[in-house]
Order: sequence, then C-alpha cells, then structure tokens
Amino acid sequence: NAGVTQTPKFQVLKTGQSMTLQCAQDMNHNSMYWYRQDPGMGLRLIYYSASEGTTDKGEVPNGYNVSRLNKREFSLRLESAAPSQTSVYFCASRTIAGVGDTQYFGPGTRLTVL
Amino acid sequence: DQQVKQNSPSLSVQEGRISILNCDYTNSMFDYFLWYKKYPAEGPTFLISISSIKDKNEDGRFTVFLNKSAKHLSLHIVPSQPGDSAVYFCAAVYGGATNKLIFGTGTLLAVQP
Repeated sequence: NAGVTQTPKFQVLKTGQSMTLQCAQDMNHNSMYWYRQDPGMGLRLIYYSASEGTTDKGEVPNGYNVSRLNKREFSLRLESAAPSQTSVYFCASRTIAGVGDTQYFGPGTRLTVL
Repeated sequence: DQQVKQNSPSLSVQEGRISILNCDYTNSMFDYFLWYKKYPAEGPTFLISISSIKDKNEDGRFTVFLNKSAKHLSLHIVPSQPGDSAVYFCAAVYGGATNKLIFGTGTLLAVQP
C-alpha cells in the first residue's frame, strides 16, 4: 500500500515551458487535492476534486489546470511556467466520511522555474 | 489576510519537557481543526484533530486545546522527544463536505537531547 505517490520528485523548467505533475493514490479515496508550499507560508490549495469527474478551484488556481483522470489519479498542469510558480507541490487524498477527516499527503514535487 | 496564524516561526525545548505550539484563527465559522507534522523532504502527516464542539482532544503524548471565544488553539506535546523535531502546521477545515484546508505558516520545533 503506497498511499499517495507523486512524480517527478524534482523538476527544473525554463519560463514558458509546460509540464504535468502526476499524483496517484491507492487508498480508494474519493477526494483529491493539490497544494503548493512557499517559504514562510503554509500550504495553499490550488485545485481539488471532490469525486471522480469533478474539479474545482481553490485559493490560488491561476496558471494551473487539473485533470481527474480516474478515481486514482489527479494531475496538475502548468501550461506556461513562470518563476512565481517555483514551489513545492503536494497532492493529497481523502475518503468521504465526514467533515474534518484526514487528508493524506504525498511526498511532494520540488519545482524550480528559471 | 491570513485566516490561520502561527506567530512563532520556531520553538526550542529540552527533551522530556513540554512543547506548546500555538495557533490563532480569525473566522468563527471554522468548525474543525487539524495539526499536521512535517519532516524535511516529506509530505505533512496528520497528527491530531479537534471539533469545535470540544475544547480538548488527547492522543497519547499529544493534546490539542481549543478556546473558541479567543479563537485560539494549542498543541501540547508531553514529554517532548528528539524525534518530535519537525515543522508543525495547524489547519482549519472549511467548505463543508469538500473538506478544504487553510493552513497556518508552521512552527519549527527543535527538541534538544
């Protein structure tokens, strides 16, 4: 049982390049989330998917798109990377059981945009 | 505007003593709070939670206290161990069933042997 996995672990991009961050969970969870963490700040929600087939914006969605490919996988795409998107990105998942139920996080992807 | 605040960026305590990490929030509509622990190069891991209908929740060495009138919660770790050294984030749940989280900025705890 791997939990939440993310690929790649590290990535360096040039301004304007595109890339997709992959996330998968094997816990049969319904909800999945993408966060970014910047120095001196807490994690901020980019997008989430309450269930397969649905996605919605979080606090900081600009410059990103997401795809809930199936129940297991939730990808985050940067169409035209900018230096402001240099950050550590975390994916999380949660089963739907009630308010406050635990979100389980992946190990993160460290992205640098030059 | 930061709705969840952790005003102490860092805290250092001696092994065996109590660690107290604090968190303040501004939105009285938050009804559930969680604490996460994060080691370097890893994702956050859930530690303990508390519902707004309670004022205390205990799990082993970890206790979370909630003071709704002051919009303040705290995490107590007793006794502190070197393995507790990590960044601790408090988070508030919002959005009902969508269970979205607003995180504080984190407190780096260092437990000295």
